[in-house]
Amino acid sequence: AQSVAQPEDQVNVAEGNPLTVKCTYSVSGNPYLFWYVQYPNRGLQFLLKYITGDNLVKGSYGFEAEFNKSQTSFHLKKPSALVSDSALYFCAVRALNRDDKIIFGKGTRLHILP
Amino acid sequence: DAGITQSPRYKITETGRQVTLMCHQTWSHSYMFWYRQDLGHGLRLIYYSAAADITDKGEVPDGYVVSRSKTENFPLTLESATRSQTSVYFCASSESLYGYTFGSGTRLTVV
Repeated sequence: AQSVAQPEDQVNVAEGNPLTVKCTYSVSGNPYLFWYVQYPNRGLQFLLKYITGDNLVKGSYGFEAEFNKSQTSFHLKKPSALVSDSALYFCAVRALNRDDKIIFGKGTRLHILP
Repeated sequence: DAGITQSPRYKITETGRQVTLMCHQTWSHSYMFWYRQDLGHGLRLIYYSAAADITDKGEVPDGYVVSRSKTENFPLTLESATRSQTSVYFCASSESLYGYTFGSGTRLTVV
């Protein structure tokens, strides 16, 4: 069965510092990996995805994520955090050769401190 | 306007009542999904649909019913609402392998 783990419920980062939100996954075969962001009282918004190719994926709002197959990880990163990055972040995975269900992690709340 | 819309945005209902949450998408996406979001549980899949008249259970289907007579609509019905169904409900749609588009959510409170 496929699964996603976000080991941190909350991450606090000072504005201007680099940030990392961690994600590990378990899936049979090759994965499709996603990051979504949720702002207060809003639905989830797509940030970026990894399908194949370069392990470093660039997405919206200056975010990027690195796919590491050996560690089964897909950590979200940003070189310099903004207060406006404060939100709830979800990692998600689906298996390459299965139906179209995506499994979401439980989410990590990111607080950027001014 | 193109997109995915959910209604109502907020709903308060009493225990035992039937309530229907609506979801409408304008892209003719094949796949549609219902999730509930609860603190400590993240997003949990309730039901999904691969096409009109094709639906299947997700992780937490008990107490919910869905239908999909038209591609663009995917209503979620709580047949007899319980307090444990107080949650935020999200509908999503997808045409390809490349991720979902989510609605803005319905906040349901069962009193």
